[in-house]
Amino acid sequence: EVQLVESGGGLVEPGRSLRLSCEASGFTFNNFELHWVRQAPGKGLEWVSYISSGGGNTFYADSVKGRFTISRDNAKKSLYLQMNSLRAEDTAVYYCASVPDYGGNSVPRYWGQGTLVTVSS
Amino acid sequence: QSVLTQPPSASGTPGQRVTISCAGGSSNIGIQTVNWYQQLPGTAPKLLIYNTNQRPSGVPDRFSGSKSGTSASLAISGLQSEDEAHYYCAAWDDSLNVPGVAFGGGTKLTVL
Repeated sequence: EVQLVESGGGLVEPGRSLRLSCEASGFTFNNFELHWVRQAPGKGLEWVSYISSGGGNTFYADSVKGRFTISRDNAKKSLYLQMNSLRAEDTAVYYCASVPDYGGNSVPRYWGQGTLVTVSS
Repeated sequence: QSVLTQPPSASGTPGQRVTISCAGGSSNIGIQTVNWYQQLPGTAPKLLIYNTNQRPSGVPDRFSGSKSGTSASLAISGLQSEDEAHYYCAAWDDSLNVPGVAFGGGTKLTVL
């Protein structure tokens, strides 16, 4: 069974940094592409970032480009999101999501339970 | 403003068939397959349909997906009270500026 468990969320002041982690199990990690997707309170889903199965390709939403960095450690079966220069509008539940790289499209299939990031002074 | 456009709400009575639309463009739905998700309050999204019309194991065949041109649809037949949830469509967007995943704004389905 595919399992994704996020951690690292919490309350942080504007301008500060936070690093999210996502631990995976139940599947061949290095054959899966990974995403971070967020959901602000009462709002819809917003894609944040993508990393390819080998880690060589990364993409970011315009809203986070230059501030957030996605990375993965295939040996540790883990995904990360380094978030710098945080703003109030980054407040959201952050989901880790995966899709097999042989799956037909690169859109998330499996989701973690999410971790809440609150940016406030 | 979401890249994919969904109606904000939909409704139906138990047993009825409802459809939810998802309008996109030539850089996303027009050339890519579509996923659909169901999200119950306070929970993570759950995959309902992938690659436009494929159901993961465990998803009832009451749920079906289709696509025509730059639009996609999710159909739910035999509507049940537990289907009351938010539904989202998504597709890869091959925009030159920002390749990534485009989500619809979500549709709140109410079972009357």
